[in-house]
Amino acid sequence: GNSVTQMEGPVTLSEEAFLTINCTYTATGYPSLFWYVQYPGEGLQLLLKATKADDKGSNKGFEATYRKETTSFHLEKGSVQVSDSAVYFCALNRDDKIIFGKGTRLHILP
Amino acid sequence: EAGVTQFPSHSVIEKGQTVTLRCDPISGHDNLYWYRRVMGKEIKFLLHFVKESKQDESGMPNNRFLAERTGGTYSTLKVQPAELEDSGVYFCASSRVTGVPYNEQFFGPGTRLTVL
Repeated sequence: GNSVTQMEGPVTLSEEAFLTINCTYTATGYPSLFWYVQYPGEGLQLLLKATKADDKGSNKGFEATYRKETTSFHLEKGSVQVSDSAVYFCALNRDDKIIFGKGTRLHILP
Repeated sequence: EAGVTQFPSHSVIEKGQTVTLRCDPISGHDNLYWYRRVMGKEIKFLLHFVKESKQDESGMPNNRFLAERTGGTYSTLKVQPAELEDSGVYFCASSRVTGVPYNEQFFGPGTRLTVL
């Protein structure tokens, strides 16, 4: 079946540290891949997306590359800020349903 | 343009009671989705409306859940009678199109349901 596995949190980093949140997926065919973010008190927002192998999605300094050979879509940011504190969800789209990972809570310390 | 809105933001009810959640999609979005996140687990798909028709309700957990979208605008999700395991956050999402390489679904802030 289709599923998404992402690293367990919470992840706590200092401001300006490098961030990686690992995500791997299992899917039939070639799904589109997403990272969603939920800031405190807000809804889910699409952070970035990639629709085919080797695509790189990027937004707000975050990047993720669609790796078909390793079925991965790891989220990275070179220098995190306190305002990046949120819950991050890796996800894929299959048959118009979004399939989510469990979410990774990120805390950034000033 | 207003985003997806959901009401209420938080509901606390007792086991056996009925609760109705409401979702207003972005204007012009024919597709409306319900998802929920039970504590500690993934956000899971419940169902998908295209206008007023149920396109896919494969994620509905049981017949205590009833979703409607009369007139193809806002949607309601009724839980009757509520059980403890129904506690969680219920998200609504809407999209303009389907079947494209990516289908961006815009999410609301969610309704947190607590069943005591």
